[in-house]
Amino acid sequence: GIQVEQSPPDLILQEGANSTLRCNFSDSVNNLQWFHQNPWGQLINLFYIPSGTKQNGRLSATTVATERYSLLYISSSQTTDSGVYFCAMKGYGGSQGNLIFGKGTKLSVKP
Amino acid sequence: EPEVTQTPSHQVTQMGQEVILRCVPISNHLYFYWYRQILGQKVEFLVSFYNNEISEKSEIFDDQFSVERPDGSNFTLKIRSTKLEDSAMYFCASSTEHGQPQHFGDGTRLSIL
Repeated sequence: GIQVEQSPPDLILQEGANSTLRCNFSDSVNNLQWFHQNPWGQLINLFYIPSGTKQNGRLSATTVATERYSLLYISSSQTTDSGVYFCAMKGYGGSQGNLIFGKGTKLSVKP
Repeated sequence: EPEVTQTPSHQVTQMGQEVILRCVPISNHLYFYWYRQILGQKVEFLVSFYNNEISEKSEIFDDQFSVERPDGSNFTLKIRSTKLEDSAMYFCASSTEHGQPQHFGDGTRLSIL
């Protein structure tokens, strides 16, 4: 099955700083999503981005499908951005729709 | 915006008991999923469901587990004879079709004592 690698595994930022989270994957995808898991365990859907670039406020994401990576940008970080960020995806072959998750990037934003 | 809702938010059960986790997917979605996340680990796929039958299941989804869509709105995960290692957060998700974004519920935190 498809392999998903996220980096860095941990990230500590000062409030107001910018950051880039990366997700590499091993095969073509037809679904790629970024999630934020907050301290209460909820998975918040950030982006559906199998290709291209999207922006939502201080967050933006870019997926370069031909080079098999996706980036999540967080600008002017706030303490509420803390949590774990997951990318998850589904390849074209085999599976009927289940998402394969990466291990996540744990972000801590300090005031 | 429509949401996937899950109940209960937290379930505490004695080992060996049966539990039923409930989900109400988004109303016009046709594909339903259960995922599991053991504390501190990544989210893992359990099972997908379409047209009133299982379309795919992972190795985790053994005979201890079953899913059902008992009516037009609910989607349930039953775990028989629970074990300590079943303690995890269980997420339900739904989508309009394969390849489209999956929308996740807030999860049920299952604690087996």
